Amino acid sequence: DADVTQTPRNRITKTGKRIMLECSQTKGHDRMYWYRQDPGLGLRLIYYSFDVKDINKGEISDGYSVSRQAQAKFSLSLESAIPNQTALYFCATSDWQRGTDTQYFGPGTRLTVL
Amino acid sequence: GENVEQHPSTLSVQEGDSAVIKCTYSDSASNYFPWYKQELGKGPQLIIDIRSNVGEKKDQRIAVTLNKTAKHFSLHITETQPEDSAVYFCAASKGGGADGLTFGKGTHLIIQP
Repeated sequence: DADVTQTPRNRITKTGKRIMLECSQTKGHDRMYWYRQDPGLGLRLIYYSFDVKDINKGEISDGYSVSRQAQAKFSLSLESAIPNQTALYFCATSDWQRGTDTQYFGPGTRLTVL
Repeated sequence: GENVEQHPSTLSVQEGDSAVIKCTYSDSASNYFPWYKQELGKGPQLIIDIRSNVGEKKDQRIAVTLNKTAKHFSLHITETQPEDSAVYFCAASKGGGADGLTFGKGTHLIIQP
């Protein structure tokens, strides 16, 4: 969905480097999510945010941190990247204030850690 | 926490035939069950969802059924077309997905011409 953008789309980095993945949305949604997708494993929730002041851990938050800089921006950081963090990362948004449950996903960031 | 099992992992059907994908969930408190379609190189996109107070929902060629007692739900696609080829994910959540979704591992649906 073009209303949810992720940068970069592809990134190759080395073990131990700090990496930030960014997500921006123009939908005006209050809730934002970060998921990780591995081949054959589906998507797993890393972190989610209800608004700028509310950050919550998901199923697999270890090794990751997030920042909600504004309602429209939600960043995911890997403080010291390791090879098993190689995956496809998706940001998603939902409009909880208006009572809708649909999550809208961005196009994804493919991260490779060597 | 919630656990969602999805079967089959790969499904090949002839164009025009029906396809059925099945999921089971573990947490009886889950009340929201969406289905997502993911095309190559894109993010998942919602195609249909169902809540625990409804047993079946249809949208043109797509339908979803829910059996709360057995804790399983299914996606039915009729009159399949080549553009239906994709990976499909089921998911479950308490609170309507507000706290995030627990996904199944996905089904690669292949429509044979």
